[in-house]
Amino acid sequence: EEQLVESGGDLVQPGRSLRLSCAASGFTFGDYAMHWVRQAPGKGLEWVSGITGNGGTRGYADSVRGRFTISRDNGKKSLFLQMNNLRPDDTALYYCVKDREIRGVYFHYMDVWGKGTAVTVSS
Amino acid sequence: DIQMTQSPSTLSASVGDRVTITCRASQSISSWLAWYQQKPGKAPKLLIYEASNLQSGVPSRFSGGGSGTEFTLTINGVQPDDSATYYCQQGNHYFFTFGQGTRLDIK
Repeated sequence: EEQLVESGGDLVQPGRSLRLSCAASGFTFGDYAMHWVRQAPGKGLEWVSGITGNGGTRGYADSVRGRFTISRDNGKKSLFLQMNNLRPDDTALYYCVKDREIRGVYFHYMDVWGKGTAVTVSS
Repeated sequence: DIQMTQSPSTLSASVGDRVTITCRASQSISSWLAWYQQKPGKAPKLLIYEASNLQSGVPSRFSGGGSGTEFTLTINGVQPDDSATYYCQQGNHYFFTFGQGTRLDIK
């Protein structure tokens, strides 16, 4: 069974940093692009960032570009999100998500979701 | 950036009804569109990809259509289990955008 488990969410003060992790199992991790999607309390879904299977290409939402960095370790089947200079509007549940397309050149669609890890940015 | 606009924002239907949700893109996205269903407290679930392809395991009462800038998600014969929020998502190379969501209530 394909599974994603996020960790690292916490309560942090504005301006501080946090690193999220996602452990994958049940599929060949390096064959798929991966994404982070967030959902603020009571709000809709927002795609945050994505990375191709080999890590060669990364994409970011305008709201996080320059502050967040996505990375992956295919040997450890893990995805990461380094979040710097956090702001109160970064408060959300952060989902780790697998891309649907095997060895895709581009990002496509998202077919396996974790349960999320909660990030709260507040003083 | 490509903006996605869904309508309506909320929808109420009776069991057995046919309902349609519309998603409009601010520029052409060909058929690079997906639909997701999200129930309260749960992660989203992929229903439709590439505008009209049904994801494995999704009931056949769900269907998608459209191309370019206008897309639809149709549920033929709504069931109580379909009560959820539905999101469209454009997949343009290395950047995704979601619509704001449509909440479907079952009367």
